[in-house]
Amino acid sequence: ETGVTQTPRHLVMGMTNKKSLKCEQHLGHNAMYWYKQSAKKPLELMFVYSLEERVENNSVPSRFSPECPNSSHLFLHLHTLQPEDSALYLCASSHNDRGSTDTQYFGPGTRLTVL
Amino acid sequence: TQLLEQSPQFLSIQEGENLTVYCNSSSVFSSLQWYRQEPGEGPVLLVTVVTGGEVKKLKRLTFQFGDARKDSSLHITAAQPGDTGLYLCAGPIQGAQKLVFGQGTRLTINP
Repeated sequence: ETGVTQTPRHLVMGMTNKKSLKCEQHLGHNAMYWYKQSAKKPLELMFVYSLEERVENNSVPSRFSPECPNSSHLFLHLHTLQPEDSALYLCASSHNDRGSTDTQYFGPGTRLTVL
Repeated sequence: TQLLEQSPQFLSIQEGENLTVYCNSSSVFSSLQWYRQEPGEGPVLLVTVVTGGEVKKLKRLTFQFGDARKDSSLHITAAQPGDTGLYLCAGPIQGAQKLVFGQGTRLTINP
């Protein structure tokens, strides 16, 4: 399998549930990102990992907890979410975390609905 | 705060027509990127423009970076239904290692 994959593609959860989103990149990249895309806002960067170390936390609530066990895998652990957290969660990777002119390769996203 | 404003937010035209969408900012960017996102997929990079005044062509798509590096445009000639999607511009935030995205232009090309 090539590129950036995300599972699950769709997730419906209650506010008291705990779930995890998974991202895997097969590109040999060093940096991985979590973004949130909702209908009425621009794409929002949540977290950046470079060489498995978190280098950016964009004031994200603690109910979102990222984990990067190695440079190919990235998780987003979810607990006690709110309905306004419903959105498309996109994972991306790049060769390094310069972010600026480095091409970011996105996965297909997980469509999350919080009831 | 470096922000990117895209216009129009929505555009629906007939196949064969030409169109231009815009990405504007009051801030200077060292470069700007254009992505296209199709339904059910993540954004895919189309082009990066780096030099003020630069013009890049990708088949029927023409990208221009403003002379002052504060704006960019995407012109599509003879639009096709396959051009349908969300077009996003993005630029690096000065002093930080991340991108800021515009809110996108949702383009629909009707057969």
